[in-house]
Amino acid sequence: GDSVTQMEGPVTLSEEAFLTINCTYTATGYPSLFWYVQYPGEGLQLLLKATKADDKGSNKGFEATYRKETTSFHLEKGSVQVSDSAVYFCALSTSGNTPLVFGKGTRLSVIA
Amino acid sequence: GAGVSQTPSNKVTEKGKYVELRCDPISGHTALYWYRQSLGQGPEFLIYFQGTGAADDSGLPNDRFFAVRPEGSVSTLKIQRTERGDSAMYLCASSLSRTSTDTQYFGPGTRLTVL
Repeated sequence: GDSVTQMEGPVTLSEEAFLTINCTYTATGYPSLFWYVQYPGEGLQLLLKATKADDKGSNKGFEATYRKETTSFHLEKGSVQVSDSAVYFCALSTSGNTPLVFGKGTRLSVIA
Repeated sequence: GAGVSQTPSNKVTEKGKYVELRCDPISGHTALYWYRQSLGQGPEFLIYFQGTGAADDSGLPNDRFFAVRPEGSVSTLKIQRTERGDSAMYLCASSLSRTSTDTQYFGPGTRLTVL
């Protein structure tokens, strides 16, 4: 079945450091890929998405590129802030099977 | 506009009791999803509706779980004879349609604790 594997956390970074959270997927169809973020005490929010190969999703300084050849969708940010501290979830949805399949989440803590 | 809302935000019940969890999707969204999130895990799919009908209930763990959406808007997730293992955050999401590219918007969740 479809699955998502993302790097385990927690990840602790200093402010202004570069962030990468790895995400790889297995899918029988041709998936759309998503990153969701869960800030402390809040619900899941869509951070960015990409729906076809080589698409780059971006939002709030975060970027992820849909790499079909490596079945990856790694999340990056050039300079993290304390306010980026949250849990990040990689997810996919395939045509004809629209419920999202999530990874286990990666907790990011950014310290000043 | 208003987002997805869920009530109650917290529910504490005793083992063996019956509970109902409610989800109010974004107005006009035809697709509605229920997920369950255990501590330290990603959300796991339970059931989804397209309009009034359950299009896919393959994620429901057993027959104690049931969900309805009688008028194609509000949905209720029902759990009978609750067990301690049912304790989790229950999330509801809605999207404009059922295509895989559509964004699913999540509610704040209902945290269920079974004592």
